[in-house]
Order: sequence, then structure tokens, then C-alpha cells
Amino acid sequence: QQQVRQSPQSLTVWEGETAILNCSYENSAFDYFPWYQQFPGEGPALLISILSVSNKKEDGRFTIFFNKREKKLSLHIADSQPGDSATYFCAANPGGNNKLTFGQGTVLSVIP
Amino acid sequence: NSKVIQTPRYLVKGQGQKAKMRCIPEKGHPVVFWYQQNKNNEFKFLINFQNQEVLQQIDMTEKRFSAECPSNSPCSLEIQSSEAGDSALYLCASSHRANTGQLYFGEGSKLTVL
Repeated sequence: QQQVRQSPQSLTVWEGETAILNCSYENSAFDYFPWYQQFPGEGPALLISILSVSNKKEDGRFTIFFNKREKKLSLHIADSQPGDSATYFCAANPGGNNKLTFGQGTVLSVIP
Repeated sequence: NSKVIQTPRYLVKGQGQKAKMRCIPEKGHPVVFWYQQNKNNEFKFLINFQNQEVLQQIDMTEKRFSAECPSNSPCSLEIQSSEAGDSALYLCASSHRANTGQLYFGEGSKLTVL
């Protein structure tokens, strides 16, 4: 059972556009949602994260929008750059538990 | 900058052979995790430690997999008898405290079992 789902599986945008990556979850106990960026041949890098008490988190060009009622969140990458081309993973963690549950990833390609 | 260091980056083993991977967590991080990432980008939690003590582990880990985090030495994950299905990227991550999802991953050790 996939508890964290991501869409689309792959996304292609032009340089300068805003890329929108979606994530949904099933477990109401999830309260912390990190996004990881992974380049080929490397480990995932923590990009930005949000707690379920917030509905928005910004860090430079990266913004998370969170809707607790609908159990959905999205990562917006503004002014996308070719260097943003990577796989992005949405993850979720229930309070009091160490184990992250990962989505299956969205492969982002940014065309110059 | 301190970061999670994993060695080796690549291992190639025959079926039935041992495979051992090491991890040095980020400085000041007492909590260490091991995850398996397969070719379909699925992450599987294996085990985690706080200092030298096991916090959680999955059943698979109790059979062919073993892991430890001795004091003043790198953490390690060992597969006693490798199987083809073990081919994956093994990721070590560390965290500054337990009960947080804020994990910092290493580059991973890519295991190929022939």
C-alpha cells in the first residue's frame, strides 16, 4: 500500500517556468513532510520541509503548499533552471517515529 | 562541511558472498539510519540506531543483514550472503535527534550482486 503518492511521474518544463510537483498521503498521523532532491549517482539531499501546522513554507525559489484537510501538498519551483533537473521525493514522518515514508519520486527535466 | 560519508561507493559481489558497507554520520548526529533504494526508486527502511543502540529494524534485517554503530568507529551494514534481489543503493542517513524526519543522507553504496 503506497502511503505517499507523487504526481506526475515525470515533468518537463522550460527554463524560467514554475514546476509544480504534487504529493498526497493517507496516514493522518503524518505531521512532517520533507522534500528531497536526488541527482543521478548521488544520495538524496534535503531540500525543504514543512510541518503539518503550517500551510506554506518558502525557501528561495522553492515553496511548499500544504492542505491538511485534503492530505495534499505541492512543491513549487519558481524560475526553474537546468540545474534543477533531478528526481524529487516527497516524504512523510509521523510524530514520535523515526521512519520516513517516501513517495515514488517525480523526475523533473528543465529544458534551457 | 561535515556530511555523511559512505564507503565504498560501489560493490560488486557474487551470490552468496558477504557485502559490507560503512558510514560515518555527520558530526554531532547521534541517530543513524540505513535505507535501501531499489532501481524503481522505492525506499525501504532497514534499521536505525541512536548512539550504539538499535531503535528499530525490519524483519529482513534480522536474518541476512546485520548492522552496528560502535563508538568511535564507522557504522556498518553487512549482508551475510548476498542475493540478486539485494542489488540496490544502500543509503546511510543521520539526524541530530530521534523522532525527527530531518535526515541527511550520504552518497550511498551501490551494490550489484551478479
